[in-house]
Amino acid sequence: GAVVSQHPSWVICKSGTSVKIECRSLDFQATTMFWYRQFPKQSLMLMATSNEGSKATYEQGVEKDKFLINHASLTLSTLTVTSAHPEDSSFYICARDVTSESNEQFFGPGTRLTVL
Amino acid sequence: GQNIDQPTEMTATEGAIVQINCTYQTSGFNGLFWYQQHAGEAPTFLSYNVLDGLEEKGRFSSFLSRSKGYSYLLLKELQMKDSASYLCAVMDSNYQLIWGAGTKLIIKP
Repeated sequence: GAVVSQHPSWVICKSGTSVKIECRSLDFQATTMFWYRQFPKQSLMLMATSNEGSKATYEQGVEKDKFLINHASLTLSTLTVTSAHPEDSSFYICARDVTSESNEQFFGPGTRLTVL
Repeated sequence: GQNIDQPTEMTATEGAIVQINCTYQTSGFNGLFWYQQHAGEAPTFLSYNVLDGLEEKGRFSSFLSRSKGYSYLLLKELQMKDSASYLCAVMDSNYQLIWGAGTKLIIKP
């Protein structure tokens, strides 16, 4: 069964609004979770690494004030896209390591964001 | 810079065998992953290679040559449900995953 869940699965919003995406680790307490973005026909792009109890680590070129990440517990990380614009429309996927010793990542089902 | 190369698209016939190649240039190496991604869905793990050689798992096998910076994913007895994108990813010295753009595999009856 699924070990990483995301909510919502898809969301359509108006330009200028904020959207929150939740990512839950269902079977394992994850101190670290990863947020990816994938545009159509392109590869996954790591946006940030979410760290429980501390600030997220953002990849170069990702605006931390626009993509707010909160990892308040060992099972929940949230990504908030603030003042969303049509160019933010994408597939957002969270992931976590399988175990603390494993390099493999389990991916959530993804959230498709469409900004009108 | 870091780079992962794999073909954009491949076509194969149901029941046949297909090999998807991946070449990489990264700063350090902590393993190579293959993931399968169906359209509109998140990737799912297929294989992990960290040592040279062939890893077989059912109809899927993955090969790695670290000296050549090369891997391939071999799919046997192709089924229509194997139509998907196949993503090659390398974990670099910082344990960060570097992703290829993916190979879209089209299976024809």
